[in-house]
Amino acid sequence: AQTVTQSQPEMSVQEAETVTLSCTYDTSENNYYLFWYKQPPSRQMILVIRQEAYKQQNATENRFSVNFQKAAKSFSLKISDSQLGDTAMYFCAFMRLYQGGKLIFGQGTELSVKP
Amino acid sequence: NAGVTQTPKFQVLKTGQSMTLQCAQDMNHEYMSWYRQDPGMGLRLIHYSVGAGITDQGEVPNGYNVSRSTTEDFPLRLLSAAPSQTSVYFCASREQGPSSRAFFGQGTRLTVV
Repeated sequence: AQTVTQSQPEMSVQEAETVTLSCTYDTSENNYYLFWYKQPPSRQMILVIRQEAYKQQNATENRFSVNFQKAAKSFSLKISDSQLGDTAMYFCAFMRLYQGGKLIFGQGTELSVKP
Repeated sequence: NAGVTQTPKFQVLKTGQSMTLQCAQDMNHEYMSWYRQDPGMGLRLIHYSVGAGITDQGEVPNGYNVSRSTTEDFPLRLLSAAPSQTSVYFCASREQGPSSRAFFGQGTRLTVV
């Protein structure tokens, strides 16, 4: 069975600085997807970034980028130039290819961006 | 586009009561799923469906039933509510294909007293 682990329950960062959230996963699969979701206090689940396991290049979306280390089964999220609106719970998630949309989530990291 | 619509947004139940959480999507997605979110545990899969008439259990199915009679709707039934089912529930849908993204509803906060 696949598992996803986020070892940082809470983190804080000063506005405009950079922060990295950690995620590790365990799987015997070779083809899969990894995701970072953001959940602000509104409770809405927002997709931040997605990485296909077969792609060696790390995904980037504006101020958000990932460091995908397939051999180490590590998938960290870097947020550059942190903004107050980045304050939220962040979830790392895993999905096997052709698995009917089943997502396996980590425990979450609560990020606070301080002015 | 409405996307994924969950109702109700909040609910308080007494132990032993039954209720149905509604989930509807208007994107003609084949895949739908229910998750529950508890502090320190992330989101855990309860049940999922890969198409009308097809459902399967996820990680924490006990105490919950689902059915998928149409592509649009995927209701979650609590037959006899227990305090352990106090949680936030999310419905999600996704179209077929490995690269498609999941869409989530706004969540239902359920309290069982």
